[in-house]
Amino acid sequence: GDSVTQMEGPVTLSEEAFLTINCTYTATGYPSLFWYVQYPGEGLQLLLKATKADDKGSNKGFEATYRKETTSFHLEKGSVQVSDSAVYFCALKKSMSEKLTFGTGTRLTIIP
Amino acid sequence: DTAVSQTPKYLVTQMGNDKSIKCEQNLGHDTMYWYKQDSKKFLKIMFSYNNKELIINETVPNRFSPKSPDKAHLNLHINSLELGDSAVYFCASSQVVGLAGNSEQFFGPGTRLTVL
Repeated sequence: GDSVTQMEGPVTLSEEAFLTINCTYTATGYPSLFWYVQYPGEGLQLLLKATKADDKGSNKGFEATYRKETTSFHLEKGSVQVSDSAVYFCALKKSMSEKLTFGTGTRLTIIP
Repeated sequence: DTAVSQTPKYLVTQMGNDKSIKCEQNLGHDTMYWYKQDSKKFLKIMFSYNNKELIINETVPNRFSPKSPDKAHLNLHINSLELGDSAVYFCASSQVVGLAGNSEQFFGPGTRLTVL
């Protein structure tokens, strides 16, 4: 079945450090790929998405590129802030379906 | 505020009880969802309704019964609660436009259920 694998957390970085959170997927066909963020005590918010190979999603300084050859959608940010501390979820959705399949989440903590 | 709202935010109850969690969205969406997030933050879909019709039903015990009185509401009723039901339950909604798979889901703040 479809699945999403994220790097294990927690991840702790200093402010202004470079961030990468790895995400790979297994799915037939051409799924859409998403990154969601969950701030403490809140629900999930869509951070960015990409719907086809080589698309780059970007938002709030975060970027991720849909790489079909490596079945990956790694999340990157050049300079993290304390306010980026949250849990990040990679997810996929198959075409013709509204079902989101999530990875296990990666907890990110940024220290000043 | 336009949003997805859930009540209650916290729910603490004894094993064997029956409880309900309510979800409402005022975004005008036609599709609503319930997700379960366990203690390890693993998030998995449980149900989805489109225009009051069940369209996704994952392998969930039949003690869980979703009820959609109208497009704006999707309530989750749980019978005979068990310890393993302790989790955070998220409601979400989306508007399916064109082909399924293209919509963005908006999540509620979650309901933390603790079964003692």
